[in-house]
Amino acid sequence: EAGVAQSPRYKIIEKRQSVAFWCNPISGHATLYWYQQILGQGPKLLIQFQNNGVVDDSQLPKDRFSAERLKGVDSTLKIQPAKLEDSAVYLCASSLGAATGELFFGEGSRLTVL
Amino acid sequence: SQQGEEDPQALSIQEGENATMNCSYKTSINNLQWYRQNSGRGLVHLILIRSNEREKHSGRLRVTLDTSKKSSSLLITASRAADTASYFCATSNSGNTPLVFGKGTRLSVIA
Repeated sequence: EAGVAQSPRYKIIEKRQSVAFWCNPISGHATLYWYQQILGQGPKLLIQFQNNGVVDDSQLPKDRFSAERLKGVDSTLKIQPAKLEDSAVYLCASSLGAATGELFFGEGSRLTVL
Repeated sequence: SQQGEEDPQALSIQEGENATMNCSYKTSINNLQWYRQNSGRGLVHLILIRSNEREKHSGRLRVTLDTSKKSSSLLITASRAADTASYFCATSNSGNTPLVFGKGTRLSVIA
């Protein structure tokens, strides 16, 4: 079974530039999450989708971050404009359904903002 | 905000020894999960324990849950160098709320 796919694995940009990350969840997984993990910390939820609807985006900095999950499969997370403090690993995860179950994570996209 | 808090922040042991990590949380939970993260990789699910369970085993892993103390522990027996990683606990409240992760314990197993 293929795992959660993410790209790119690494991205370096200047502050105020924009960046987009892509995630393809495990086939059949209805729930998709984007987490931000700053070095030395645990993952922090940015947004949760159930199919193509948003369940929780309370911690998403909406003035600069946006995410979509068209057709309830792939998802894109965009940052525009980026700030220095956005340097982190952006992890995508998926689960079969209920948020209380096991999450399957991708390898992450490491962003460095200079 | 992060609900779970792991202790210790870092742990260094010799191969063959047991490693114990603890997790404390603040509010009532539906279940508690433990994940491992190797350096530069994504998180991998290890074990899930429900709020009505007290102990669970999986291979060399043993997890306990004490809901009265709002705490859990992860024991890795007979550790190996390959167990070197960060370990995170994550809690889920009842309903459709997403997992909230702690800051993790960095485990180093020295051969």
